Amino acid sequence: KAGVTQTPRYLIKTRGQQVTLSCSPISGHRSVSWYQQTPGQGLQFLFEYFSETQRNKGNFPGRFSGRQFSNSRSEMNVSTLELGDSALYLCASSFPPQETQYFGPGTRLLVL
Amino acid sequence: AQSVTQLDSQVPVFEEAPVELRCNYSSSVSVYLFWYVQYPNQGLQLLLKYLSGSTLVKGINGFEAEFNKSQTSFHLRKPSVHISDTAEYFCAVTLINDYKLSFGAGTTVTVRA
Repeated sequence: KAGVTQTPRYLIKTRGQQVTLSCSPISGHRSVSWYQQTPGQGLQFLFEYFSETQRNKGNFPGRFSGRQFSNSRSEMNVSTLELGDSALYLCASSFPPQETQYFGPGTRLLVL
Repeated sequence: AQSVTQLDSQVPVFEEAPVELRCNYSSSVSVYLFWYVQYPNQGLQLLLKYLSGSTLVKGINGFEAEFNKSQTSFHLRKPSVHISDTAEYFCAVTLINDYKLSFGAGTTVTVRA
């Protein structure tokens, strides 16, 4: 089976812009989670989707949003980018009942 | 809420020597436990997991971990490391039906010849 794929792999944006990241889960997986990884804060949970519904959300401002489509693919959006949003954004998928999350290679976002 | 503490931020080790990475968690309810590895410029790869059953869990690449409920620990071990084991290792915990992982700060393992 193909693993979790994320596009794009690298992205450079400027402050104030918005960005959309995409994640395709492993075939048959219906849960998709997003995490932010930074040197200062480590790995932090953003949100999780299952069957197009957000089931859990981390402690991030409303500028961070996501959605899931009927084919389980997911997107996350960050509006009004700040320098501190520079990070590696990781997507993970799992097959319910939720137990093990499998991660993609990540999207590295640089905000200038 | 659950939390994870990885007791060592950096572990240098010589090739073919054993290594142990320590992880403690705090939770008042039952949890699932995981170890992931991250190589430079890559995502996270699952090494092993504890869901239930035997407290000694074997994973990929010769790694194993032992779940100790009384000490709330889940330490990772490998009897003989290779240069290719140089990476960052993360311990993670999730509550059953919580749908999110809480990670430790990570342990950087550097294997020298």
